[in-house]
Amino acid sequence: AQKVTQAQTEISVVEKEDVTLDCVYETRDTTYYLFWYKQPPSGELVFLIRRNSFDEQNEISGRYSWNFQKSTSSFNFTITASQVVDSAVYFCALRANNNNDMRFGAGTRLTVKP
Amino acid sequence: NAGVMQNPRHLVRRRGQEARLRCSPMKGHSHVYWYRQLPEEGLKFMVYLQKENIIDESGMPKERFSAEFPKEGPSILRIQQVVRGDSAAYFCASTGGWDQPQHFGDGTRLSIL
Repeated sequence: AQKVTQAQTEISVVEKEDVTLDCVYETRDTTYYLFWYKQPPSGELVFLIRRNSFDEQNEISGRYSWNFQKSTSSFNFTITASQVVDSAVYFCALRANNNNDMRFGAGTRLTVKP
Repeated sequence: NAGVMQNPRHLVRRRGQEARLRCSPMKGHSHVYWYRQLPEEGLKFMVYLQKENIIDESGMPKERFSAEFPKEGPSILRIQQVVRGDSAAYFCASTGGWDQPQHFGDGTRLSIL
């Protein structure tokens, strides 16, 4: 069974704080892909990152970084020096081999206050 | 705009009517997925199509819902005899291959009166 858990329903921070969004996944497949998407208040879904199960290197893109730990089945997302424009719902998703569907977590609503 | 195009952006229907949601994939993409998002929830997979073929419809309700992706034209998600519980945002995503990221359209917000 594939499952994605985002335990944090809502997070509120003040601008310039760092914030980490947690994502824990379950799958029996050895080949899979993990994703993060951002859904701003306007409602569209914006692709942020894809990571395959054989690549545990952490990735940094500007103020965004991702920490993939297979040992704990986690794929956490950190925003450094948060900004008001980062306010959105963030979804973690899993696509396992031999499955056509992508399983989404319930999302974490991030509010960054000025 | 070379992205995934969904229309209409908003659709209002009365109970019992039919709803048709359209999705044009990104140029060069031949794989289309439909998802449903209920308020305050994540996206739930409905159906996966390639041109003229339904590959996986395991997430789609057995009755009233159907999807197609014809050789020419957009993919269509069709909901017959809509009920209040069908109110949701419906997202379409396309990709050039199974292991590639799915790029999403802006969604269609369906409201049932």
